[in-house]
Amino acid sequence: QKEVEQDPGPLSVPEGAIVSLNCTYSNSAFQYFMWYRQYSRKGPELLMYTYSSGNKEDGRFTAQVDKSSKYISLFIRDSQPSDSATYLCAMLETSGSRLTFGEGTQLTVNP
Amino acid sequence: NAGVTQTPKFRILKIGQSMTLQCTQDMNHNYMYWYRQDPGMGLKLIYYSVGAGITDKGEVPNGYNVSRSTTEDFPLRLELAAPSQTSVYFCASSYGGINQPQHFGDGTRLSIL
Repeated sequence: QKEVEQDPGPLSVPEGAIVSLNCTYSNSAFQYFMWYRQYSRKGPELLMYTYSSGNKEDGRFTAQVDKSSKYISLFIRDSQPSDSATYLCAMLETSGSRLTFGEGTQLTVNP
Repeated sequence: NAGVTQTPKFRILKIGQSMTLQCTQDMNHNYMYWYRQDPGMGLKLIYYSVGAGITDKGEVPNGYNVSRSTTEDFPLRLELAAPSQTSVYFCASSYGGINQPQHFGDGTRLSIL
């Protein structure tokens, strides 16, 4: 079983839609949860970073962590064509030495 | 502000050849990392370094070597290239501990034929 599973996509939505991207994990030692955005032929860039359970909002983006269900989500409100990218979840144990990434979900927002 | 710079951007190798992927950062970050990204597989850590002179294996180190003689540079060496090493390679750096955000370069696309 993979430590981190991410909804595979691809996902195609109209401009203005609310997007939900999701990951589940099996390692209960994960404490740090991140979302990276990767544009085509570019390196990933950190989008959101949360510690433990709860919600974190940054503009149109909301990251949600539910440790009891081992489930994290990224919500994008009022999605824009510029949001079209691959989104990667990543997780880290408190004493860990490496990030564990999901496989990525490719999102296309159509004008 | 260049950030993390990787060279070359593209390369085609023949089986059995060797090469070095270059990575340099200008943010004075202590931690540096090498990942490979295969389609639909996320990123896998190859090697990482917590400072000059210190390196350690990640999840998929076989077939690769690294060195860290300066804070800025972290080259990745492929010896005896194999088709299984066809991938996109990303270098990243971060300021402090592993829980600090990692800054990525734009990758090197490597094909081995």
